[in-house]
Amino acid sequence: GNSVTQMEGPVTLSEEAFLTINCTYTATGYPSLFWYVQYPGEGLQLLLKATKADDKGSNKGFEATYRKETTSFHLEKGSVQVSDSAVYFCALSHSGGSNYKLTFGKGTLLTVNP
Amino acid sequence: SQTIHQWPATLVQPVGSPLSLECTVEGTSNPNLYWYRQAAGRGLQLLFYSVGIGQISSEVPQNLSASRPQDRQFILSSKKLLLSDSGFYLCAWSVESPPFLFGSGTRLTVV
Repeated sequence: GNSVTQMEGPVTLSEEAFLTINCTYTATGYPSLFWYVQYPGEGLQLLLKATKADDKGSNKGFEATYRKETTSFHLEKGSVQVSDSAVYFCALSHSGGSNYKLTFGKGTLLTVNP
Repeated sequence: SQTIHQWPATLVQPVGSPLSLECTVEGTSNPNLYWYRQAAGRGLQLLFYSVGIGQISSEVPQNLSASRPQDRQFILSSKKLLLSDSGFYLCAWSVESPPFLFGSGTRLTVV
């Protein structure tokens, strides 16, 4: 079946440090890939997405490239800020007939210290 | 604009009591609707999804049920809550394909 594996946290960084959160997936066909972010006490917000191999999604300084050969979608940011502290979820979408579903990883808690 | 409302934001319920969580969407018609649960230390688990009024699919066997009485209304219910039902419940919708728009969530604590 479809699954998403992302690096377990928590991850603690100092401000302006480089961030990588690894994500790999198992899927049949060609899923779309997403990163969602959950700030404390809130729901999930879409951070970025990629719909086909070699696509790069980017937003707010975050980037992730859809790598079909390694079935990966690692999240990176060159210089994190305190405001980036949140839980990050990698996800893939797959079609079940007329309905799409999202399968999530377990989430990675990121804490950025000043 | 497209928005999703979910309430209540927090809820503390005794074991054995009933549950009703409501989710409504605005700015779209015939959306696909979803209920997810985020339990402590675990990821997001899809509980139910609906592609239309009265059409509910369950992803995992559990103590919960879902209903869709109107096109843009999705309700999560239980007749008798268990301690294991505690968690953060998220409603989401999509039209045809992701990305999904998520509600702000309901934190349920069963005591």
